[in-house]
Amino acid sequence: EVQLVESGGGLVQPGGSLRLSCVASGFTFSGYWMSWLRQGSGKGLEWVANIKQDGSEKYYVDSVRGRFTISRDNAKSSLYLQMNSLRAEDTAVYYCARGKGYFDPWGQGTLVTVSS
Amino acid sequence: EIVLTQSPGTLSLSPGERATLSCRASQSVSSSYLAWYQQKPGQAPRLLIYGASSRATGIPDRFSGSGSATDFTLTISRLEPEDFAVYYCQQYSNSRTFGQGTKVEIK
Repeated sequence: EVQLVESGGGLVQPGGSLRLSCVASGFTFSGYWMSWLRQGSGKGLEWVANIKQDGSEKYYVDSVRGRFTISRDNAKSSLYLQMNSLRAEDTAVYYCARGKGYFDPWGQGTLVTVSS
Repeated sequence: EIVLTQSPGTLSLSPGERATLSCRASQSVSSSYLAWYQQKPGQAPRLLIYGASSRATGIPDRFSGSGSATDFTLTISRLEPEDFAVYYCQQYSNSRTFGQGTKVEIK
């Protein structure tokens, strides 16, 4: 069974940092682009970043570029999102997902709350 | 940025009825790079359709997608109780953006 499990969410103050992790199983992780997406409370969905199979290409939505860094460790079948200079508007459930264009499947999500 | 506008915001229907959901793009979505997702409360979105009309693995054939350029449609031919949920369209022609969602509720 293809599965993605996120962790690392929590409460952080504005300006703080957090690192999210996503462990994949049930498929050859190194063979796929991977992505992070988020969903604010009562809000819609937003693509955040994606990364090529070997990590050589990375893309970000404008609102996080320069503050967030996506990375991966194929030996550990793991995806990461380093989030710095966090703002209140970054508060959301963060999902990892397999894919570059469309996303299938998604993990269950991890909640990030940015508040003082 | 391509803005996707979904209509209606809420669709009230009974089980067994046909649901027609619309997704309109602010500019042409090339190569029909349009996907549809279903999301139930407390769950992650699930891919239903990609490439505007291709069903994802395991998706029942009562779900179908159509359209091109700026106008796309998701049709659920006969609503089952488990189909009442929020549906999102997403384009991957120019970056990636999502519509605001259509809620399909039980009438």
